[in-house]
Amino acid sequence: DQQVKQNSPSLSVQEGRISILNCDYTNSMFDYFLWYKKYPAEGPTFLISISSIKDKNEDGRFTVFLNKSAKHLSLHIVPSQPGDSAVYFCAAELRGATNKLIFGTGTLLAVQP
Amino acid sequence: EPEVTQTPSHQVTQMGQEVILRCVPISNHLYFYWYRQILGQKVEFLVSFYNNEISEKSEIFDDQFSVERPDGSNFTLKIRSTKLEDSAMYFCASRITGRGTEAFFGQGTRLTVV
Repeated sequence: DQQVKQNSPSLSVQEGRISILNCDYTNSMFDYFLWYKKYPAEGPTFLISISSIKDKNEDGRFTVFLNKSAKHLSLHIVPSQPGDSAVYFCAAELRGATNKLIFGTGTLLAVQP
Repeated sequence: EPEVTQTPSHQVTQMGQEVILRCVPISNHLYFYWYRQILGQKVEFLVSFYNNEISEKSEIFDDQFSVERPDGSNFTLKIRSTKLEDSAMYFCASRITGRGTEAFFGQGTRLTVV
């Protein structure tokens, strides 16, 4: 079941540059999307979310863009910092009675000093 | 800042034994969850719990699994007879509402079945 896909298992970026993490989904019934950051041996930490009625949400260095026609969302981190090095998961919630989150496989971001 | 706490951080158990994983969700949250992550795989939903009953469960959550909120603060996941394939990180999460809000995750319990 690959309803939420992160096709890049890893990404390496220089400190100060922009990091762009991508996520694709297949189910048009998703209506809420979230990004989480995860360090080894820790739980996922919430970063930012977006409702399907919006196409952009910004919080400090983090911006999420949603392209519903392409079923694609992306997380931009500007400027990237070494402390941003972690695994990033996108997650989605289906419209309707369900309240579970469906996670992608994650992208390992390495920010080089 | 309020947080979800889980105990123990690591549990090693013999195959066939029962384990109980414990969680203290954020106090004003109403929806509670268990997720797991098998090494190298994605985080996957197990069960959601609201108003003292299961609201949704995945195919993984079979009769060997159960959840309970024995008092006003703890939320537990019990695996009755552990199998090798139950080895994973188990994450508890809570949300203030059931939809459209972020879920806050605990730091996880690493379960190793030998």
